[in-house]
Amino acid sequence: EAGVAQSPRYKIIEKRQSVAFWCNPISGHATLYWYQQILGQGPKLLIQFQNNGVVDDSQLPKDRFSAERLKGVDSTLKIQPAKLEDSAVYLCASSQGQGSGQTQYFGPGTRLLVL
Amino acid sequence: AQTVTQSQPEMSVQEAETVTLSCTYDTSESDYYLFWYKQPPSRQMILVIRQEAYKQQNATENRFSVNFQKAAKSFSLKISDSQLGDAAMYFCAFRASGSRLTFGEGTQLTVNP
Repeated sequence: EAGVAQSPRYKIIEKRQSVAFWCNPISGHATLYWYQQILGQGPKLLIQFQNNGVVDDSQLPKDRFSAERLKGVDSTLKIQPAKLEDSAVYLCASSQGQGSGQTQYFGPGTRLLVL
Repeated sequence: AQTVTQSQPEMSVQEAETVTLSCTYDTSESDYYLFWYKQPPSRQMILVIRQEAYKQQNATENRFSVNFQKAAKSFSLKISDSQLGDAAMYFCAFRASGSRLTFGEGTQLTVNP
């Protein structure tokens, strides 16, 4: 079974530029998550999708971050414009359902450096 | 809001020995799950073990076991017969029903040959 795929693996941009990350979850997984992991910290949830609907985006900085999962499968996370403090690893995860005991399977992450 | 605290930023263990990683959490919920995730240098987060709050029996997965003390809100991970491949960052995480997965700050485990 293929795992969660993410691309690109690394990205370096200048501040005020825009960037997009892509995630393809495990086949059949209805729930998709985007996390931000700043160096030395645990991951923090940015947004959770159930199929193509948003369940939780309370910690998403909506003035610059956006995410979509139009067909309920793969997802894109965008930052526009980027700030220095957005430098982090962006992790995508998926689970079969949204129950609290569901195992979340993580992708390898995209490491973003904003200069 | 739930919080998860890992008070040991770094731990080390000799190969084949046992190590315990500590985790405490704060919640007013009664229905929740606790998790330990492992993040090797490749950065892919992997679930190690899961505990449901309603289950009194401590979870065990091969060399990994937990000591779940609900009243004390403590959830430690014991790794027996440590192997070089166990070296990684370990995150304790909490999730109550209807809420998001909340991670601690992590414990970096070094395994010495």
